Amino acid sequence: EVRLVESGGGLVQPGGSLRLSCAASGFTFGRYEMNWVRQAPGKGLEWVSDISDTGSTIYYSDSVKGRFTISRDNAKNSLFLHLSSLRADDTAVYYCARYSYNRGYFFDFWGQGTLVTVSS
Amino acid sequence: QSVLTQPPSVSAAPGQKVTISCSGSNSNIGNNYVSWYRQLPGAAPKLLIYDNDQRPSGIPDRFSGSKSGTSATLGITGLQTGDEADYYCGTWDGSLSAVVFGGGTKLTVL
Repeated sequence: EVRLVESGGGLVQPGGSLRLSCAASGFTFGRYEMNWVRQAPGKGLEWVSDISDTGSTIYYSDSVKGRFTISRDNAKNSLFLHLSSLRADDTAVYYCARYSYNRGYFFDFWGQGTLVTVSS
Repeated sequence: QSVLTQPPSVSAAPGQKVTISCSGSNSNIGNNYVSWYRQLPGAAPKLLIYDNDQRPSGIPDRFSGSKSGTSATLGITGLQTGDEADYYCGTWDGSLSAVVFGGGTKLTVL
């Protein structure tokens, strides 16, 4: 059974930093691209970042570029997101999601999410 | 506002059919495959449709997807109260080098 479990969320002050983790199990983690997707309270889904299976290719949304860093440790089946220079509008539930490919790409498994609240 | 455009809400009676549209452009839907996700209240999103019209195992054939040009459509037949949720379309945008989602559509089963 595929499982994705996020952790590391919490309350942080504006300008602060946080590191989110996603523990993966039930599949060969190192063979899949992984992504972070967030959802602000009462809002829709917003893509944050993508990392290739080897970590060699990374994409960020314009809203987080230069402030967030995605990384992975395939030996530990783990995905990370380092958030810095946090702003109030970064407040959201952050989901880790597996990015699969058939003819196109899609998110076939999602974690339960971890809440990040940026507030003084 | 979102790169992909969805109606904010749709509604229909139990047992009826509903469609949810997702409109984009050549840089996203026009040249990439579309996926659809359902998000029940308080839960994580779940994949409903991938590759425009394919259902993952476990998704009933009441759910269907299609794509034409720069628009995609999710269809749900035999509506049940348990289908009340938010529905999102998503795809890759080659011009933005980013995954893009629609703003979401809230389905109400009256």
